[in-house]
Amino acid sequence: GENVEQHPSTLSVQEGDSAVIKCTYSDSASNYFPWYKQELGKRPQLIIDIRSNVGEKKDQRIAVTLNKTAKHFSLHITETQPEDSAVYFCAAIFSGGYNKLIFGAGTRLAVHP
Amino acid sequence: DTEVTQTPKHLVMGMTNKKSLKCEQHMGHRAMYWYKQKAKKPPELMFVYSYEKLSINESVPSRFSPECPNSSLLNLHLHALQPEDSALYLCASSPSGGNTYNEQFFGPGTRLTVL
Repeated sequence: GENVEQHPSTLSVQEGDSAVIKCTYSDSASNYFPWYKQELGKRPQLIIDIRSNVGEKKDQRIAVTLNKTAKHFSLHITETQPEDSAVYFCAAIFSGGYNKLIFGAGTRLAVHP
Repeated sequence: DTEVTQTPKHLVMGMTNKKSLKCEQHMGHRAMYWYKQKAKKPPELMFVYSYEKLSINESVPSRFSPECPNSSLLNLHLHALQPEDSALYLCASSPSGGNTYNEQFFGPGTRLTVL
């Protein structure tokens, strides 16, 4: 079935450390993988995305890697800052069209000064 | 205008009420979505409209009735809701539907409480 698993559910790091969040997906035909950040009481906001024809994408302190064979993708945040504290959701588009996004369960990241 | 807007921000309704949630975007996007998000959970897809036609209904109870009057507007009509329907209702849009996969832009949501 359509499923995205995300780990860990909570992550606590010191400011300046790196944070890594991992996701696996079930549909081998999925070809678009966005990551959303949701602060308390706010809307989910896209922070980075990757398509299946690319293995890695970087945007300043944020990077995403994709392993299509293993059906696995990861978010890497370097030099974390307190404002990075939020819930992060990975997601995958499921085949069959119509932009059907399935989200992982989320990771609550806390960055301590 | 590069945002998705939603009204109202908050809504409290009784189980016998009829109310509507509204969503609007002026980015020329042709796909629009309704999601339901419970506390500490991810958004859960309810409906997808592609080119103003309902493309996906994720087995949502009939007490939720979506409507897409035109390419910029999306409504969600609510009737005879249950307390367990209390949640944040998020609208989203993306440039196109079909098999072209694009970023979905989310609105701020309507926080619904059913008494």
